[in-house]
Amino acid sequence: DGGITQSPKYLFRKEGQNVTLSCEQNLNHDAMYWYRQDPGQGLRLIYYSQIVNDFQKGDIAEGYSVSREKKESFPLTVTSAQKNPTAFYLCASSISVAHPTQYFGPGTRLLVL
Amino acid sequence: DQQVKQNSPSLSVQEGRISILNCDYTNSMFDYFLWYKKYPAEGPTFLISISSIKDKNEDGRFTVFLNKSAKHLSLHIVPSQPGDSAVYFCAASAPSNSGYALNFGKGTSLLVTP
Repeated sequence: DGGITQSPKYLFRKEGQNVTLSCEQNLNHDAMYWYRQDPGQGLRLIYYSQIVNDFQKGDIAEGYSVSREKKESFPLTVTSAQKNPTAFYLCASSISVAHPTQYFGPGTRLLVL
Repeated sequence: DQQVKQNSPSLSVQEGRISILNCDYTNSMFDYFLWYKKYPAEGPTFLISISSIKDKNEDGRFTVFLNKSAKHLSLHIVPSQPGDSAVYFCAASAPSNSGYALNFGKGTSLLVTP
């Protein structure tokens, strides 16, 4: 049963703390993406990765970091430099960056304590 | 700078009628357009897409129309069902040196009433 999984569903961050959101896919897709959604807003691109060991900044990369050590995994770290981290975070994948159709995971809601 | 605009934040339609969701874009380089459906606290689900070489694409109850000269696309749902109640996002992409990136509108919340 192929798909994209994100964990945890809810995550709480304390001031000054880094937190990591997990994203795993078993679709054998080369490209993976991280988006952020704020209430009443569309999705904004944080980072994307075309292939293992490669990633590019999106529109709002400041305060975030990623890694792509395995094809299946694309974790996102929200660092303490991200001053407004409360949002709904969505991971997506596509066959490759040459294929526009992206498929999304269920999302992680990050809340600041 | 919002390149994809969904100017209607919400829409209410009676069950069995047609739902029409609209989307406008400003970037003439966009060549692929997608519609996603999203329930609260869930990830968006891909619905239907259209390439700029076409002006219509149909999949069951869902049809997307593209008017390139007006930089406008619309999603028609016929007949509308209560389960269609969700937020619908329009997205557009253009090829670049880094491949495709999706630009999303802010979404339209559709409510289908019995």
